[in-house]
Amino acid sequence: NAGVTQTPKFQVLKTGQSMTLQCAQDMNHEYMSWYRQDPGMGLRLIHYSVGAGITDQGEVPNGYNVSRSTTEDFPLRLLSAAPSQTSVYFCASSRAGAKHRELFFGEGSRLTVL
Amino acid sequence: KQEVTQIPAALSVPEGENLVLNCSFTDSAIYNLQWFRQDPGKGLTSLLLIQSSQREQTSGRLNASLDKSSGRSTLYIAASQPGDSATYLCAVKDNAGNMLTFGGGTRLMVKP
Repeated sequence: NAGVTQTPKFQVLKTGQSMTLQCAQDMNHEYMSWYRQDPGMGLRLIHYSVGAGITDQGEVPNGYNVSRSTTEDFPLRLLSAAPSQTSVYFCASSRAGAKHRELFFGEGSRLTVL
Repeated sequence: KQEVTQIPAALSVPEGENLVLNCSFTDSAIYNLQWFRQDPGKGLTSLLLIQSSQREQTSGRLNASLDKSSGRSTLYIAASQPGDSATYLCAVKDNAGNMLTFGGGTRLMVKP
């Protein structure tokens, strides 16, 4: 019962470095999304995808890129990390067009940008 | 823009007490509302989902209500236990169904 798997769990970057946070789900969910969680700010949607080949911006997309080449994977890329991107990142998925369906979350990736 | 507020931000109660967590939202045009639990260092676990046409949902000792017209939801926890200690978050889904807006959460501690 893997569910939603995120890697890495922890990462430290220097300003300007790039990296990719990986997210994979084995539930055949069409909808996938990335959130960041910051103290006092709650969870905010970065990008989401309603199916392979389709992505869209959420509330705070700047500084992040995503792609969705397969149903299972939804990587989040930081092209040039900034200290403001220090946060805990969560990937979540659900059934497609599933307005009624609950969202399943990964365990998070804690990123520190120095 | 939808805004979701949870009050109180933190709550400490003795074991066995019944308690209510509050969630309010500014735009009543929601599709559904979901309550989550988050343990320290972990992801979110869905507890209850209420459709916009529903008034409440129950699961075990948990009962969530929704008053869409007034922009409010409550999560009622009966006979609280130390294992209920966690952060509880509510989130509302917009009518397009693609964006979830979260509240800041209520950090609950149940003392034995």
